[in-house]
Amino acid sequence: AQRVTQPEKLLSVFKGAPVELKCNYSYSGSPELFWYVQYSRQRLQLLLRHISRESIKGFTADLNKGETSFHLKKPFAQEEDSAMYYCALGNYGGSQGNLIFGKGTKLSVKP
Amino acid sequence: EPEVTQTPSHQVTQMGQEVILRCVPISNHLYFYWYRQILGQKVEFLVSFYNNEISEKSEIFDDQFSVERPDGSNFTLKIRSTKLEDSAMYFCASSEVGVVADTQYFGPGTRLTVL
Repeated sequence: AQRVTQPEKLLSVFKGAPVELKCNYSYSGSPELFWYVQYSRQRLQLLLRHISRESIKGFTADLNKGETSFHLKKPFAQEEDSAMYYCALGNYGGSQGNLIFGKGTKLSVKP
Repeated sequence: EPEVTQTPSHQVTQMGQEVILRCVPISNHLYFYWYRQILGQKVEFLVSFYNNEISEKSEIFDDQFSVERPDGSNFTLKIRSTKLEDSAMYFCASSEVGVVADTQYFGPGTRLTVL
């Protein structure tokens, strides 16, 4: 079964410190993976997806098929990065793609 | 920038009552979704919809749930007889192309509280 695991409920770092939010997935084929972010009182919004291989707001994520991971990284955290971060896996199970989410990690960046 | 909108932002209802949650997807999007998030748990897929038909539904989406596109702009989720365990945040999403790699744009959510 397809599954996404985010092992950390809460990650707290100081401003300027590196950040790594972990995401592991379970899927036997080639996955489509996403990171969504939810800032306080705002909607879920796409942060980045692995197919684009881009860096958004200083965040990057590399797909590691051997470790079935898609960890989100940022070298220097900013206070405005504080938010809930959700890793999601595209579900190939049907004719219209839907998303399988992890439980999310709350990132708190302290001044 | 166009956004998905949802109404109401918060709905309180009594157990056994019917509720309708409303969504207005982004205007040029053709693929629609409902997800829910029970407090403290993960966001879960409920149903996807395209061309006035359900494309997929999860095990959660039982006979108590239905979806409809009553006109050219609204997309609704109806829960026929609410239960306490239906209390959750319900998110609508839309996408331009209904493939796995496409970006889904989410609404702000409706918080449903069943008493």
